[in-house]
Amino acid sequence: AQSVTQLGSHVSVSEGALVLLRCNYSSSVPPYLFWYVQYPNQGLQLLLKYTSAATLVKGINGFEAEFKKSETSFHLTKPSAHMSDAAEYFCAVSVLSASKIIFGSGTRLSIRP
Amino acid sequence: GAGVSQSPSNKVTEKGKDVELRCDPISGHTALYWYRQRLGQGLEFLIYFQGNSAPDKSGLPSDRFSAERTGESVSTLTIQRTQQEDSAVYLCAGGRSTGELFFGEGSRLTVL
Repeated sequence: AQSVTQLGSHVSVSEGALVLLRCNYSSSVPPYLFWYVQYPNQGLQLLLKYTSAATLVKGINGFEAEFKKSETSFHLTKPSAHMSDAAEYFCAVSVLSASKIIFGSGTRLSIRP
Repeated sequence: GAGVSQSPSNKVTEKGKDVELRCDPISGHTALYWYRQRLGQGLEFLIYFQGNSAPDKSGLPSDRFSAERTGESVSTLTIQRTQQEDSAVYLCAGGRSTGELFFGEGSRLTVL
């Protein structure tokens, strides 16, 4: 069965600093991987997804993630944090498109002025 | 509709009562998922539908929980004899073969 682990329930960075949110997955077959974002008082929305094409995936709002099979990781990065990036970020994994999708426990990102 | 609609948005009920939560996904989304999000926690998978059938019900916490979907559209999640630990936001999401999920804003359930 697939699973996903997000390291760090809370990450705080200064505005303009690098954002790095960590996600490791476990899957017996090649996975599909996703990052979702939940802004305060809003529903979850897709940030980016990996579906076995390019290993470096670019998403909305300047975020990107790199699939590293050897490390079973799919970390989310953004070169320069903006105050509007403050939100909860969830990593998710599935093994087939439109099948069971499992979410991590989430990482809350805070941005310091 | 333009997005995923969930109702009620807020429900307060007494312990022991039954509740029914409704999800109306985006037209054409053959896959439909239910998740539970307790305060300050991640998304807990409950069940997913492919069309009207549910290949995976493994996430339903107990036999008090059930869900159905009709017409490859609307789905209802029913919780019988609610308990205080059922208090949470129940999220519904629809998707296509690309695996991208479109979430509703959730139904917040409070069991007193």
